Amino acid sequence: DVKVTQSSRYLVKRTGEKVFLECVQDMDHENMFWYRQDPGLGLRLIYFSYDVKMKEKGDIPEGYSVSREKKERFSLILESASTNQTSMYLCASSKGHPNTEAFFGQGTRLTVV
Amino acid sequence: GDSVTQMEGPVTLSEEAFLTINCTYTATGYPSLFWYVQYPGEGLQLLLKATKADDKGSNKGFEATYRKETTSFHLEKGSVQVSDSAVYFCALLGSGGYQKVTFGTGTKLQVIP
Repeated sequence: DVKVTQSSRYLVKRTGEKVFLECVQDMDHENMFWYRQDPGLGLRLIYFSYDVKMKEKGDIPEGYSVSREKKERFSLILESASTNQTSMYLCASSKGHPNTEAFFGQGTRLTVV
Repeated sequence: GDSVTQMEGPVTLSEEAFLTINCTYTATGYPSLFWYVQYPGEGLQLLLKATKADDKGSNKGFEATYRKETTSFHLEKGSVQVSDSAVYFCALLGSGGYQKVTFGTGTKLQVIP
């Protein structure tokens, strides 16, 4: 079974803190993604990566950055957390060829106070 | 750009009722289409997919047919169970460039005994 593992299920951070969300996949997938999920807005893409050290902005990259130093690991960084970044964050991965579905981690519920 | 529109929820049905969740999309080329399901407290799981026009995806009694002429991918199930209570997301994978998945806003289904 494909496994996408997010390092934390729940996080509480203070405004202004630097926050790291980690994601690891074990199926040698080329593509990795970070989404945030908010009620009524569905899933919105923050960043994605199609190869090691490569990244592309998604629809809502402001206030976030990412790092992909190894193929299996994709980190989301909140440089200075703000309360409007309180959300559910979902990591996903997929193989790098057409028509393939994405596999998701269980999500990290981040609360910024 | 690509977009997915799905019917608003929540949808409340009695057990054994017929389910339809509407989904329409806008995309260039020939996208792949997916339905994902999210059970409470969990990440998203692939429910079914279709990769070309007139394909029918099916799984666990759920079905959806890729209709290019109406740009639709409606989810149906003949007889829902309480265990089907979840949030359902329609999604598409664009056919060009990077393999970015675009999601609808999700439809919450509640099935009551």
